[in-house]
Amino acid sequence: DSGVTQTPKHLITATGQRVTLRCSPRSGDLSVYWYQQSLDQGLQFLIQYYNGEERAKGNILERFSAQQFPDLHSELNLSSLELGDSALYFCASSAGASLVDEQFFGPGTRLTVL
Amino acid sequence: GQNIDQPTEMTATEGAIVQINCTYQTSGFNGLFWYQQHAGEAPTFLSYNVLDGLEEKGRFSSFLSRSKGYSYLLLKELQMKDSASYLCASISGGYNKLIFGAGTRLAVHP
Repeated sequence: DSGVTQTPKHLITATGQRVTLRCSPRSGDLSVYWYQQSLDQGLQFLIQYYNGEERAKGNILERFSAQQFPDLHSELNLSSLELGDSALYFCASSAGASLVDEQFFGPGTRLTVL
Repeated sequence: GQNIDQPTEMTATEGAIVQINCTYQTSGFNGLFWYQQHAGEAPTFLSYNVLDGLEEKGRFSSFLSRSKGYSYLLLKELQMKDSASYLCASISGGYNKLIFGAGTRLAVHP
């Protein structure tokens, strides 16, 4: 158990819909990272927040957005969902602000878009 | 552009040694990670190399050559539980870009 929690564990929805994935970092960690892992694309870094501010941005689509709240939990919002958005979405956390800090991953949310 | 290559699959025998290679082409390289990921589970951190050379951590070692754009993960005394995917990832572009390879699926046989 990494100490990072993600909800929900599974999510099934339809194309065109909008969903919100939630992540709580390990106690004391200030950075939260979001990743997408699909069968054909592998693991892709989406975005990092540090202490409430966006810190680094990867291959995040414009239909996707994230934020980190004052209590440091984070939400990833996915809108206008497409079949290709079906994937495992991981959240990770680390103590510091740098991408080189060791990250601890949550168990993931499996999103299925029908 | 940014690119990371690693073999798709490898097999090895319990008790043996296996080396998983990773080559990268990234601008502004700032280091390379190795992660282990069991099927259906989250990745777990194995190592981070930023300087040339070998870093050893128990049965696992990781090597980096910045001039050659090359890294490898060495697993010794293989155990069945080492059957997993191994992901290499590079950090570049002023510590703002994190790119993962597609992963190497390792199967350890008795």
